[in-house]
Amino acid sequence: GESVGLHLPTLSVQEGDNSIINCAYSNSASDYFIWYKQESGKGPQFIIDIRSNMDKRQGQRVTVLLNKTVKHLSLQIAATQPGDSAVYFCAESDGGATNKLIFGTGTLLAVQP
Amino acid sequence: NAGVTQTPKFRILKIGQSMTLQCTQDMNHNYMYWYRQDPGMGLKLIYYSVGAGITDKGEVPNGYNVSRSTTEDFPLRLELAAPSQTSVYFCASSEGLAGGTGELFFGEGSRLTVL
Repeated sequence: GESVGLHLPTLSVQEGDNSIINCAYSNSASDYFIWYKQESGKGPQFIIDIRSNMDKRQGQRVTVLLNKTVKHLSLQIAATQPGDSAVYFCAESDGGATNKLIFGTGTLLAVQP
Repeated sequence: NAGVTQTPKFRILKIGQSMTLQCTQDMNHNYMYWYRQDPGMGLKLIYYSVGAGITDKGEVPNGYNVSRSTTEDFPLRLELAAPSQTSVYFCASSEGLAGGTGELFFGEGSRLTVL
């Protein structure tokens, strides 16, 4: 079936370094991708999204890259801060009328001071 | 705006009991969703709704029911609770991609334990 998975379940980085979180997806019909951040005990928070007609999108300190050829998505966080410590999820949608998001397992980002 | 509000935040149930998780949103979103999240795992879609009066099954609907009588409310009903339903439940809403973004706005979650 359709699935979204992550390469690295845990990522440890030094404060100030750049972080890269990777995600593979299997549904070639997916048209919309989104990254969420989830802090302990809280609901997921939107970070950034990208549609399949783009290969890169930038936000504040974050960049999402989409490679449709290999069905790969990544989230880059510049100058990682302790407040970035959280679990990060990628999710995909076929962009249809229901806007259902299918989530991956998640990557724990641990920022070391 | 309060966004998406879920109640209760915590609940302990005995096996076989039933309960309803409440969800309400004040953003006038047509799309609403219920997800469950098991420890250390991602979110699995239980049910969703694209508008009042319309609901459909997601990835893991067994043991649950929903209704959508108004745009604002999307309650999730657990019938005959089982230990396998111990999880954190998240409600979300969205204006849909036609509105410009497919972002889902999530509530803070309802932690359910079935003993």
